[in-house]
Amino acid sequence: AQSVAQPEDQVNVAEGNPLTVKCTYSVSGNPYLFWYVQYPNRGLQFLLKYITGDNLVKGSYGFEAEFNKSQTSFHLKKPSALVSDSALYFCAVINNNNDMRFGAGTRLTVKP
Amino acid sequence: DTAVSQTPKYLVTQMGNDKSIKCEQNLGHDTMYWYKQDSKKFLKIMFSYNNKELIINETVPNRFSPKSPDKAHLNLHINSLELGDSAVYFCASGRMEKLFFGSGTQLSVL
Repeated sequence: AQSVAQPEDQVNVAEGNPLTVKCTYSVSGNPYLFWYVQYPNRGLQFLLKYITGDNLVKGSYGFEAEFNKSQTSFHLKKPSALVSDSALYFCAVINNNNDMRFGAGTRLTVKP
Repeated sequence: DTAVSQTPKYLVTQMGNDKSIKCEQNLGHDTMYWYKQDSKKFLKIMFSYNNKELIINETVPNRFSPKSPDKAHLNLHINSLELGDSAVYFCASGRMEKLFFGSGTQLSVL
């Protein structure tokens, strides 16, 4: 079954430092991978997706993610974190039934 | 204008009651979804509707029933509420390649 895993419940970084939120996937065939962000008391917002093409995908708010087939990873990155990036981040994959499966989420805290 | 709106935002009720959560989208999408986010923040799909046809029904108790009066609405009815139903429920619409979510309904069953 198609699935994603987010190995870290919590990631803490200082403002201005680069951030990485990890995601690994387990799929058969070509993966359709996504990142969503959830701010407090809000619904999820689409950040970026990988369907095919360049392994480095650029998304909203300066985020990017790198698709790495050999490591089955799709880590979310940002060169310089902002306090306002503090939120819950979800990696997701579309499975064979064409529904989206989310990871457990990673809480990112950016400290001033 | 809010693209996907759901009401109420908070719902507190007693065990055994029947309740409904409403969802409306003004994006013209053909497909709408309901997701459940548990206390550990894990999101699970419950239902999706495409042109009034249920196309996904995960292992959800039949106490939960989606109702779609038209393409822009997908309401969630829950009968005989149980303590374990306490969670945040999110409505969404769009294609799987890009979903738009409502702000969630926090359901607390006492």
